[in-house]
Amino acid sequence: DIVMTQSPLSLPVTPGEPASISCRSSQSLLHTIGYNYLDWYVQKPGQSPQLLIYMSSNRASGVPDRFSGSGSGTDFTLKISRVEAEDVGIYYCMQGKYSLTFGQGTRLEIK
Amino acid sequence: QVQLVQSGPELKKPGSSVNVSCKASGGTFSNYAFSWVRQAPGQGLEWVGRIIPLNFQVTYARLFEDRVTFIADKYTSTLYMEFKNLRYEDTALYYCVRDRRTYGLDIWGQGTTLIVSS
Repeated sequence: DIVMTQSPLSLPVTPGEPASISCRSSQSLLHTIGYNYLDWYVQKPGQSPQLLIYMSSNRASGVPDRFSGSGSGTDFTLKISRVEAEDVGIYYCMQGKYSLTFGQGTRLEIK
Repeated sequence: QVQLVQSGPELKKPGSSVNVSCKASGGTFSNYAFSWVRQAPGQGLEWVGRIIPLNFQVTYARLFEDRVTFIADKYTSTLYMEFKNLRYEDTALYYCVRDRRTYGLDIWGQGTTLIVSS
């Protein structure tokens, strides 16, 4: 099974400052035709998770452009250019190449 | 816009079975796959498996394949997850999710709480 490893697991951020979360896969997530089976989700307090980024770098509908995803193969990054209070939650990466596997989650909190 | 509305909370004894439903409304049902994802208290997300209503193709996570069954009713646009031989560690919030494969898990139900307790 593919193992997804996120870091850090806890991320305190000052509003207006940038934030970055890393996600590493135990196997390459790159499809032969060039896209990566890697998504990012956020679970805000008391809510169901919601899709942020799909195929490593594509923002889902309605996601603010301060969120961006990058990476390929086994190393991926989610960046928030300027954190806002509403961004508090747990962020998960997920691979979809071989079944589905989630990372452990990164808890983003406001300083 | 498609919505997924799940059945209410369940309290079950170890060794028993549970049936969780998920009704899709507001969009096309059979054109998509749907996954079930669970979250134990205070823990992360864990994929249970996937069903494609169009052809009833199912894929179960290895961890659950001997205890879980997915059903899709195309006429009522409802999904069902039957979980047998329940264990204490199956206590979790169970989500049904529209699974667009490379386009992500884009629509989530509100979750169904399952508590397994004697």
